[in-house]
Amino acid sequence: DTAVSQTPKYLVTQMGNDKSIKCEQNLGHDTMYWYKQDSKKFLKIMFSYNNKELIINETVPNRFSPKSPDKAHLNLHINSLELGDSAVYFCASSHLTGYTFGSGTRLTVV
Amino acid sequence: GENVEQHPSTLSVQEGDSAVIKCTYSDSASNYFPWYKQELGKRPQLIIDIRSNVGEKKDQRIAVTLNKTAKHFSLHITETQPEDSAVYFCAASIETGGGNKLTFGTGTQLKVEL
Repeated sequence: DTAVSQTPKYLVTQMGNDKSIKCEQNLGHDTMYWYKQDSKKFLKIMFSYNNKELIINETVPNRFSPKSPDKAHLNLHINSLELGDSAVYFCASSHLTGYTFGSGTRLTVV
Repeated sequence: GENVEQHPSTLSVQEGDSAVIKCTYSDSASNYFPWYKQELGKRPQLIIDIRSNVGEKKDQRIAVTLNKTAKHFSLHITETQPEDSAVYFCAASIETGGGNKLTFGTGTQLKVEL
């Protein structure tokens, strides 16, 4: 049983398209996150939800919109994709402290 | 906000040698310091963590030390093996009841050579 699962694993799309990435966790954690890992491997937080409520919203373009229908799910929708959005996007969840990461979604915008 | 610096960016050691990775943080309120290992194409995985009420923690070949006064913490891997080759990230955060925002260092590519 995968603890934090993301779909899709790979996503190749053209500039200007809209796409979504889904994340689900079965750990019973209260908090979920989206992180972006760029080509230099730098991990930067984008959003965090605690019990379906947005608690962290870093300086991310408003083309990125997270949605948490319940505390086990956190999806990421991206509008008008740009070349610079190409990266690996990791979902994670936590209860109090250490994160459990999903396997990542490699997004390539062409 | 918190800023975490990590050194070195790359580290090559011979199998059996020790490896040390160092991080500094800027926010004196940070009280939780995890380390993650990320193998190529895989997710980051928590390998060890330390809280600010503790100065050192060990788990088999891995140890972390924390100096709150100087605001730096280190990862020590002894008797390195080829399977230790990966990117290692340090991170810092302030623990709260509603989750915590981890600020990551820039990563260290460790290569263990035979």
